[in-house]
Amino acid sequence: KQEVTQIPAALSVPEGENLVLNCSFTDSAIYNLQWFRQDPGKGLTSLLLIQSSQREQTSGRLNASLDKSSGRSTLYIAASQPGDSATYLCAVRRSRDDKIIFGKGTRLHILP
Amino acid sequence: EAQVTQNPRYLITVTGKKLTVTCSQNMNHEYMSWYRQDPGLGLRQIYYSMNVEVTDKGDVPEGYKVSRKEKRNFPLILESPSPNQTSLYFCASSFGWGQGAMGDYGYTFGSGTRLTVV
Repeated sequence: KQEVTQIPAALSVPEGENLVLNCSFTDSAIYNLQWFRQDPGKGLTSLLLIQSSQREQTSGRLNASLDKSSGRSTLYIAASQPGDSATYLCAVRRSRDDKIIFGKGTRLHILP
Repeated sequence: EAQVTQNPRYLITVTGKKLTVTCSQNMNHEYMSWYRQDPGLGLRQIYYSMNVEVTDKGDVPEGYKVSRKEKRNFPLILESPSPNQTSLYFCASSFGWGQGAMGDYGYTFGSGTRLTVV
């Protein structure tokens, strides 16, 4: 059974710091991994999508890496800002049945 | 603009009164899915559809129905809503594997429907 785990569940850091969010998954047979951002009561906004053949993707201050063999992905946020405060979720697309499995997210709070 | 559109955004209803939440996408996606999100439980899949007339149960299908008569629409039906179905609901879509070009297989979400059943 594919499980996706995000640790920590919540994180508070001072503004300006670089930080790393973690995502681990049990089944390495995936098509891709996607990172999302969700603001309270709002929908999910896609941040980065990494194909299984890729090692990383970058968008602005965000960098996501993928190590499929070890079942891990990290989301690196550089020079954090209060506007980065949100919940970050990762999701893997399982190749055996094309099902998309979500982690429960990391709630990030950037302290001004 | 490529998007997934859900309606309504907010809905308050009474126990037992049938309701439908609509979902429509304009990206020619084969794959569509419904989720509910509850505090502490994360996103849980209700139903999904791999293509027109093809639907399957997710993790929490009880009390829900879906249909996929057209590729763009995937309505969620609550025949007899109960208070434990009070939740935030999301519709999402993507290309089915093999349908899109490399890099196109991300999930696009709707803005959500906040449902309260009293």
